[in-house]
Amino acid sequence: SQTIHQWPATLVQPVGSPLSLECTVEGTSNPNLYWYRQAAGRGLQLLFYSVGIGQISSEVPQNLSASRPQDRQFILSSKKLLLSDSGFYLCAWSPDTQYFGPGTRLTVL
Amino acid sequence: QKEVEQNSGPLSVPEGAIASLNCTYSDRVSQSFFWYRQYSGKSPELIMSIYSNGDKEDGRFTAQLNKASQYVSLLIRDSQPSDSATYLCASGNAGNMLTFGGGTRLMVKP
Repeated sequence: SQTIHQWPATLVQPVGSPLSLECTVEGTSNPNLYWYRQAAGRGLQLLFYSVGIGQISSEVPQNLSASRPQDRQFILSSKKLLLSDSGFYLCAWSPDTQYFGPGTRLTVL
Repeated sequence: QKEVEQNSGPLSVPEGAIASLNCTYSDRVSQSFFWYRQYSGKSPELIMSIYSNGDKEDGRFTAQLNKASQYVSLLIRDSQPSDSATYLCASGNAGNMLTFGGGTRLMVKP
């Protein structure tokens, strides 16, 4: 069966610091992968999606970037965090629909 | 712009009652529709998918789709306190891209 992992589970970072969140999927190959952000009490905002290694599409211009160095690995990064980057970051993978990982709760202070 | 609209709630129902959650979508070419349940502090969990007009039942859950009215609903029968969560409606296209609504918070009171 397929499993999706995210780490870290929680993160507290100062404004201006870098960020790296990792997502990996097990039990499948060449999945579509997605990064979402959910601000407190809000809906899901699609940030990036990828249909293959090195193929990244950005949905929202911002100070975040994504990379897919391996088939089942998706990384979300930032060089300098802003207060507005706080939120719940969710990675999802897709065969026919999207299944979410456990998420990373990021607090920027 | 593609939109999925949901009443944010909270929708409060007594234990054992039927909870009715509703959703409308703007993109007429949407082909698939999904309901996710999200407990506080947790990630969304897929509970129902529906692709054609009519009803689809799975245990206590029934999803209803009316493409002519661009309307999707989720009925939860015999609601339990453990059903208390936020329910997210999503529409999908051929490329597996989903558009999510803001969610409806459901509270089931014992």
